[in-house]
Amino acid sequence: EVQLVESGGGLVQPGGSLRLSCAASGLIVSSNYMIWVRQAPGKGLEWVSVIYSDDTTYYVDSVKGRFTISRDSSKNTLYLQMNSLRAEDTAIYFCASDPAYPRGRNWGQGTLVTVSS
Amino acid sequence: DIQMTQSPSSLSASVGDRVTITCRASQGISNYLAWYQQKPGKVPKLLIYAASALQSGVPSRFSGSGSGTDFTLTVSSLQPEDVATYYCQSYYSAPFTFGPGTTLDIK
Repeated sequence: EVQLVESGGGLVQPGGSLRLSCAASGLIVSSNYMIWVRQAPGKGLEWVSVIYSDDTTYYVDSVKGRFTISRDSSKNTLYLQMNSLRAEDTAIYFCASDPAYPRGRNWGQGTLVTVSS
Repeated sequence: DIQMTQSPSSLSASVGDRVTITCRASQGISNYLAWYQQKPGKVPKLLIYAASALQSGVPSRFSGSGSGTDFTLTVSSLQPEDVATYYCQSYYSAPFTFGPGTTLDIK
């Protein structure tokens, strides 16, 4: 059974940094499309970033230059390093995976990031 | 970038009704289209991939169709447990944008 468990969320001041983690079991992170999706309070889903098995990465324009997606194969864990955080980055951040395409077949429970002074 | 739109934004129907939600892409995406269901307070769930393929475990009352720019999600006989927000997503090219969502409830 695939399980994705996010951690690392919390309250951070504007301009601060956080690193989110997504620990995977039942799948190999480096062999899957691994995705970060966020959902601001009361809003819809927003695709944030993806990393492919060949290390190709993509980002939504609003986080380019501030967020970095990466993975650690030895820990079978996906990361999202978030710098220069803004109030509009406040959201629940979900990690998701799929073995074949950059879509969300499996989802974690999410971790809440709140950017506020 | 590809933009995704959905209609209607909200929908109220009776148990047993046939319900259709439309998703439109700003340019052709072949069949690289997924539909998700998100119940209140829950994690999104993949319902349909490749525009019309039913994800394992999803009830057969859900179906998807379309190709190119126009897609539909149909619930053949609405059930109370189908109350949720439904999102389409293009995975044709990055950024892999979601539609704005359609909120479905019971009349």
